[in-house]
Amino acid sequence: AQSVTQPDIHITVSEGASLELRCNYSYGATPYLFWYVQSPGQGLQLLLKYFSGDTLVQGIKGFEAEFKRSQSSFNLRKPSVHWSDAAEYFCAVLYSGAGSYQLTFGKGTKLSVIP
Amino acid sequence: DVKVTQSSRYLVKRTGEKVFLECVQDMDHENMFWYRQDPGLGLRLIYFSYDVKMKEKGDIPEGYSVSREKKERFSLILESASTNQTSMYLCASSLHRGSSYNEQFFGPGTRLTVL
Repeated sequence: AQSVTQPDIHITVSEGASLELRCNYSYGATPYLFWYVQSPGQGLQLLLKYFSGDTLVQGIKGFEAEFKRSQSSFNLRKPSVHWSDAAEYFCAVLYSGAGSYQLTFGKGTKLSVIP
Repeated sequence: DVKVTQSSRYLVKRTGEKVFLECVQDMDHENMFWYRQDPGLGLRLIYFSYDVKMKEKGDIPEGYSVSREKKERFSLILESASTNQTSMYLCASSLHRGSSYNEQFFGPGTRLTVL
């Protein structure tokens, strides 16, 4: 069965520092991978997605993620964090089930930013 | 831009009440989804629908039902609310059932408290 693991429940970084959020997936077929962000009290917003091609994908708000098939990973990075990046981040894998496509989410990583 | 709206941001109900959560999307999407989100558990799929009057169970359908009478509207029903259904409920939609390019767009969520 497909699964997504985000090993870090909570990460704290200083403003201006670099960031890497980890995501590992388990899925037998070619994965379609996503990162979503959720600000407090809000719904989820798509940051970026990977379907095929270049394994380094660029997203909104200065985020990028790298797909590494050998490590079954899709880690999210940002070179310099801003206070407004404080939020919860979810990695997800898209899989085929019941004739349609569903997302399986990780449990999320909460990011705190120290001014 | 795709817009997914949910009828209430906050809702307080009593145990045993019948509760309706409404979701509307304005981009003619085929697929619609209901998730619940709980701290430490991430998002879990309750039900989804890939067409009018069609529905499929997700990972945690017990205690819930759904209705999709029109393409743009997907309702989640708690037949007899219980305290363990206190949660954040998120609705999402995506374009085509048969397409792998199925990123999901989320509503802002309804925070339901059952007393």
